[in-house]
Amino acid sequence: GESVGLHLPTLSVQEGDNSIINCAYSNSASDYFIWYKQESGKGPQFIIDIRSNMDKRQGQRVTVLLNKTVKHLSLQIAATQPGDSAVYFCAELGTDSWGKFQFGAGTQVVVTP
Amino acid sequence: DGGITQSPKYLFRKEGQNVTLSCEQNLNHDAMYWYRQDPGQGLRLIYYSQIVNDFQKGDIAEGYSVSREKKESFPLTVTSAQKNPTAFYLCASSMFDRTGYGYTFGSGTRLTVV
Repeated sequence: GESVGLHLPTLSVQEGDNSIINCAYSNSASDYFIWYKQESGKGPQFIIDIRSNMDKRQGQRVTVLLNKTVKHLSLQIAATQPGDSAVYFCAELGTDSWGKFQFGAGTQVVVTP
Repeated sequence: DGGITQSPKYLFRKEGQNVTLSCEQNLNHDAMYWYRQDPGQGLRLIYYSQIVNDFQKGDIAEGYSVSREKKESFPLTVTSAQKNPTAFYLCASSMFDRTGYGYTFGSGTRLTVV
């Protein structure tokens, strides 16, 4: 079946540097994507989303890039802070899906001083 | 404030025992979901419900049961048939359309077999 996956399971970043988290998806019918942040022992929290008619979307310190040609999604975090340490998931929603998202396994981001 | 509440936060189950995890939302969301999360793995769908009194199996429904008697509530029962229930369980809700605001998640229940 088609799936969402991540390239790197763990990303170590120095405080103040920028982080880039990648996600590959294979469902060409996906038209909506979300990045979630999950801190240890807590539920995932919405960070930012993007629709397939966009290539880039910016939030506060975060930017999501979508490359539909190669089916790739990335999350950029500017000036990474200790509070950014968490697991980050990408999720996709296909046009053939009424509302069930498919989730990637996640990337653990560790911010070092 | 609107939100989704899971209880308890920690739950211990003895071998052969059924346990029920609670999930309540006051967001007026149509759809509710239960996911299981194991270390190093993505979220796996157990059951979901689009409307009251209706629910469907997800990818790993064996050993679990649910009910949806009220729009606000979607409890999950982990039965003795589930041989490896130790995991972190997440409940989520969403509008039953494609407005695209994704899921709102609860804070999770960590279930441990003792």
